[in-house]
Amino acid sequence: EVQLVESGGGLVQPGGSLRLSCAASGFTFSDYNMNWVRQAPGKGLEWVSYVIPTRTTIYYTDSVKGRFTVSRDNTKNSLYLQMNSLRDEDTAVYYCVRGSWSSGGIFDYWGQGALVTVSS
Amino acid sequence: EIVMTQSPATLSVSPGERATLSCRASQSVSSNLAWYQQKRGQAPRLLIYGASTRVTGIPARFSGSGSGTEFTLTISSLQSEDFAVYYCQQYNNWPPITFGQGTRLESK
Repeated sequence: EVQLVESGGGLVQPGGSLRLSCAASGFTFSDYNMNWVRQAPGKGLEWVSYVIPTRTTIYYTDSVKGRFTVSRDNTKNSLYLQMNSLRDEDTAVYYCVRGSWSSGGIFDYWGQGALVTVSS
Repeated sequence: EIVMTQSPATLSVSPGERATLSCRASQSVSSNLAWYQQKRGQAPRLLIYGASTRVTGIPARFSGSGSGTEFTLTISSLQSEDFAVYYCQQYNNWPPITFGQGTRLESK
């Protein structure tokens, strides 16, 4: 069974940093593209970042470029999101999401999410 | 960036009736469109990809159609567990991958 379990969420002040982790199991992690998708309270879904298995291709949505860094450790079956210079508008549930085998843009498995609250 | 627009924002339908949800892309996305269902307090779940291909295990009452810029998700006979928020998403031209704002399907 595919499982994605996020951790590391919490309350942080504006300008602060936080690192999210996602532990993957039930599939060969090193074969799949991975993503972070977020959802602000009461709002819709927003794609945040994408990384391929070799980490040679990485994408970000414009609003987080230069502040967020995605990484992965295939030996630990783990995905990470380092978030710096956090803003109020980064408050959201952050989902770890697997891209499907047929197309990395199809999000076939989602974690339960980690809540990040940016507030003073 | 491709903008995805869903309509209506909220749809009220009685159990057993048909629901039709619409999604429009600001430019052609071919058939590279997916639909997700999100129930309150849960993560989204992939229902349909390739505009019309149901994920294994998704009931046949869910069907998707369309190509280019106009897409439809139809639920043929609503069950109580189908009341949720539905999102469309394009993966034709990215980054960024973009979602519609969602349609809330509620019981009438």
